[in-house]
Amino acid sequence: DAKTTQPTSMDCAEGRAANLPCNHSTISGNEYVYWYRQIHSQGPQYIIHGLKNNETNEMASLIITEDRKSSTLILPHATLRDTAVYYCIVRPTTQGGSEKLVFGKGMKLTVNP
Amino acid sequence: NAGVTQTPKFQVLKTGQSMTLQCAQDMNHNSMYWYRQDPGMGLRLIYYSASEGTTDKGEVPNGYNVSRLNKREFSLRLESAAPSQTSVYFCASSVQTGAYEQYFGPGTRLTVT
Repeated sequence: DAKTTQPTSMDCAEGRAANLPCNHSTISGNEYVYWYRQIHSQGPQYIIHGLKNNETNEMASLIITEDRKSSTLILPHATLRDTAVYYCIVRPTTQGGSEKLVFGKGMKLTVNP
Repeated sequence: NAGVTQTPKFQVLKTGQSMTLQCAQDMNHNSMYWYRQDPGMGLRLIYYSASEGTTDKGEVPNGYNVSRLNKREFSLRLESAAPSQTSVYFCASSVQTGAYEQYFGPGTRLTVT
């Protein structure tokens, strides 16, 4: 699986947009970009995924660069409940592909009042 | 729907004792997973079950056994607990292996003294 690089931590003001970067310069053509988050002491929670087009759901938007070597997760109006560790993961999504999610250490987002 | 449930929430064992961690999901998912998370680390896959009746090793299977009891339940057994198995254990499920989204349980915090 391709390796991802994220900042260790980031702060954001409540109500502002939080832009979380991820570098995945060795991503392969069949690998999707996933984002999960883990709020303190809870199990990880799926946020969004994408292949090459930008994606949006009720939680966030995912912007993937044209060369697919990096992406940005956008939380449009961060709240205190968005304080969590955010994991950017790349993996193939095909039957018979790697079955594990390699979480790495992620990035701690702190939303401040 | 309860989603993914795990029991117990907390457990303290002495070295050499055995125990079974229970996991159940009510989403009719085919695939289930066991992960461990050590302090400051990402999650690592212990075992997974692609479908009822099948199990496969993940990254760190040594010292563990699993049973896919039926489609709903996937248990993790420590036959002879060691201090190195002190960790938080998460169970997860997905519609199928390779599916976009894994749903995680709340975790079991295990301490082995």
